[in-house]
Amino acid sequence: EPEVTQTPSHQVTQMGQEVILRCVPISNHLYFYWYRQILGQKVEFLVSFYNNEISEKSEIFDDQFSVERPDGSNFTLKIRSTKLEDSAMYFCASSHGQGGEAFFGQGTRLTVV
Amino acid sequence: TQLLEQSPQFLSIQEGENLTVYCNSSSVFSSLQWYRQEPGEGPVLLVTVVTGGEVKKLKRLTFQFGDARKDSSLHITAAQPGDTGLYLCAGASRYNFNKFYFGSGTKLNVKP
Repeated sequence: EPEVTQTPSHQVTQMGQEVILRCVPISNHLYFYWYRQILGQKVEFLVSFYNNEISEKSEIFDDQFSVERPDGSNFTLKIRSTKLEDSAMYFCASSHGQGGEAFFGQGTRLTVV
Repeated sequence: TQLLEQSPQFLSIQEGENLTVYCNSSSVFSSLQWYRQEPGEGPVLLVTVVTGGEVKKLKRLTFQFGDARKDSSLHITAAQPGDTGLYLCAGASRYNFNKFYFGSGTKLNVKP
């Protein structure tokens, strides 16, 4: 069964460093998303991406964040200068259609120290 | 922001009992999804409901979308220990179909 895969599963980084979280969405999906979940809190929307551009972003997704689809398969989230409060599980998701069923990856646990 | 409130937050029941979990909002959603999440893992999609009043069944799980598309319920019949987990509802924004709002979840524990 097709699935969304994320790498790495865990990432520890020092405050101020740049991190890139990687995702391979389901191959025939057209819409891609990043969400995050701080420990014990709700899953929060960060950004949606379609047709090689951001279609919607939340207030969390500030200038420190960027997304890219560098080739036909990968979808990345870059945090330019990490802060302690960026520590969270980051989930990538994809869907075939707009507002359609979104399938989530297993997540990357980011720890900023 | 379109808020989704889930209730109850925690539910501990005996195997064989029935239960209902609720997902409520004052906002209208274009669609609503139910997920199950295990600790340290990503949400796993259970079902999507789109039409007001829609009912979907998945084995012992019954999902209903409210007529006004503002609320939803998940009913589990004859719960089993394997049903233990965190159940999340997520609504797709009426104004942006690509933005999903998640509830805070119902943590279900089914005791053998």
